[in-house]
Amino acid sequence: SYEVTQPPSVSVSPGQTASISCSGDNLEDRFTCWYQQKPGQPPVLVIYQDKKRPSGIPERFSGSNSGNTATLTITGTQAVDEADYYCQTWDSNIVLFGGGTKLTVL
Amino acid sequence: QVQLEQSGAEVKVPGASVKLSCKASGYSFTNYKIHWVRQAPGQGLEWLGMIVPSGGGTAYTQKFQGRLSVTRDMSTATVFMHLRSLTSADAALYYCARGNAEGDFDFWGHGTLVTVS
Repeated sequence: SYEVTQPPSVSVSPGQTASISCSGDNLEDRFTCWYQQKPGQPPVLVIYQDKKRPSGIPERFSGSNSGNTATLTITGTQAVDEADYYCQTWDSNIVLFGGGTKLTVL
Repeated sequence: QVQLEQSGAEVKVPGASVKLSCKASGYSFTNYKIHWVRQAPGQGLEWLGMIVPSGGGTAYTQKFQGRLSVTRDMSTATVFMHLRSLTSADAALYYCARGNAEGDFDFWGHGTLVTVS
């Protein structure tokens, strides 16, 4: 069965660029989206269809998908961006989530 | 505004069943799928299944085949998730989420905590 894999954790300094990967076989052939989840809150969609930003999501969030890897990039990371991030894609009629990446801003 | 109102917390004994609800409002109920996602304490997101409200069609992850049912009540725009034969591994926060045409989940409920003890 198809799977997508994320690194458990990523650290970044304030103001720097954070990159979170999501890997799967030929992932570029599928649309990937990304969710941000802060403690005690439901997830929030931050990127859909690989690289589109929903209304209200800051421009510092961007996405890409090439080859076997989709990437969420946060440019000029702020302390408020510290959260768990999950990628999501589809396999036939089934939804798949990555295991999640904890982004630490320090 | 779009809202997904979920039912209250549940406490169940092992072997029991649980039925959770998710009432949709603020949009056309028939135009969007409703998904169920759970999150065990300190763990990641796990997709359980979904329903297409307009026709009632469903899809479930294989792990829950035979133990999970998702239904809907068109008159109240409410989706139900019924999970049977509960074990301690089913203790989690259960979210419903609206699935749009692009395949992502653009609105989420606040979750229902299920305790199995």
